Order: sequence, then structure tokens, then C-alpha cells
Amino acid sequence: DAGVIQSPRHEVTEMGQEVTLRCKPISGHNSLFWYRQTMMRGLELLIYFNNNVPIDDSGMPEDRFSAKMPNASFSTLKIQPSEPRDSAVYFCASSFMRGRGETQYFGPGTRLLVL
Amino acid sequence: QKEVEQNSGPLSVPEGAIASLNCTYSDRGSQSFFWYRQYSGKSPELIMFIYSNGDKEDGRFTAQLNKASQYVSLLIRDSQPSDSATYLCAVKAGSQGNLIFGKGTKLSVKP
Repeated sequence: DAGVIQSPRHEVTEMGQEVTLRCKPISGHNSLFWYRQTMMRGLELLIYFNNNVPIDDSGMPEDRFSAKMPNASFSTLKIQPSEPRDSAVYFCASSFMRGRGETQYFGPGTRLLVL
Repeated sequence: QKEVEQNSGPLSVPEGAIASLNCTYSDRGSQSFFWYRQYSGKSPELIMFIYSNGDKEDGRFTAQLNKASQYVSLLIRDSQPSDSATYLCAVKAGSQGNLIFGKGTKLSVKP
């Protein structure tokens, strides 16, 4: 299995530009999670989907952030317009949600730098 | 606000010693507890999970849970330099809940 796939791995953009991060979860997993990690705030959940439906988006910082999961094998996280404070590592994770002990598998992350 | 607290470290132990990593959580309804390891520049990977009071052992790793004290710990026996990483504690409220992560404890194992 290829694991969770994220693209791009690195993104450098200028303030005000649109940024789209992409994620392909592990085949057969029914839950997908988007996290943001910074030194100051640690690993924060932005949004998670179960069976392609957004369940909890309370971690999405503001209206500049949006996420979609059009099918079981693809999700996007979009930032428009981007700001320097959005600079962070964005992780996508997937799991097969079946109870208390399911494992979340993380992708390699996208390192975003907004200048 | 559900919180998971960890000492940020760094925790430094000599090779071969026992490393003890601690975590407290605020939500008494929490049911499942996870330890992830994250090497610098890499993504988190699961080491262990536990949801019953007591100890759970897996090789050199032992997770300990005390729900009354809202405390979970990870012991690493015979620590190796390759164990040097940041260890993240994560807590799940219920069967449909998401994980809440602590900020992690940085462990350094000195040869």
C-alpha cells in the first residue's frame, strides 16, 4: 500500500495567492483528517470527514479555509487568500473508523510558506 | 475546551535508561489514548493505544493509563539513540470523536 499521499510536498507562495493542498487517503479507509502543525500551537485538527461527509470543521481558522472530499479517494484543502500566518506543515491522515482503537495514518505533509 | 497537556522537554536520558513520558487530559469522557512518535521533519506514526486502566506492553514500550487521575504515560525501556524524537499524546472522546493532540515531549537519548 502506498500510504496516504499528499501533494505538493512543499509550497512557497505570496500573500494573497490561492493555495490548494491535495490528499489521497489509504484505500478502504472511511475517515479523513486535515491537521496543521506549528511550533507554537502543535498539531491542530482543522476538519475531518467520515464517508466523505464533513463531521467537524470547528478547527477551520476562518472563511479563508475550505475543504472538500468529492469522493472516497480524494480531498482538498484550499486557502484563499493566503496569509503569512498560514505558514505551517499541513498533514492529511486517514483511518478506518470502527471504534475506540483505530489508527490514524498520516501522510508526509505539505510544508507551506506564505511570504 | 478539551485539553491534552505534555511537558515540552527536552527530556534527556542516557542510552539504556528508562524514558518516562507523561500526559494529562481534561475531558473525563475520554475513552481512547494514543502515543505517536514524530521524528524531526517527518509525520507522526502510531506507537501504541490504550483504553483500559492499567498497563499495556509492546516490546520496549509500556503505556500506562489511570482514568481516575486523567493521566497516561509511556515508558521506553532500554532507550536507544534511535528513540530520539518528539512523542505526541492524543486523546479520543468517543467512538466517533476526533483525536486531540498534546504539543509533544521532545526526547533525546544520549549515547
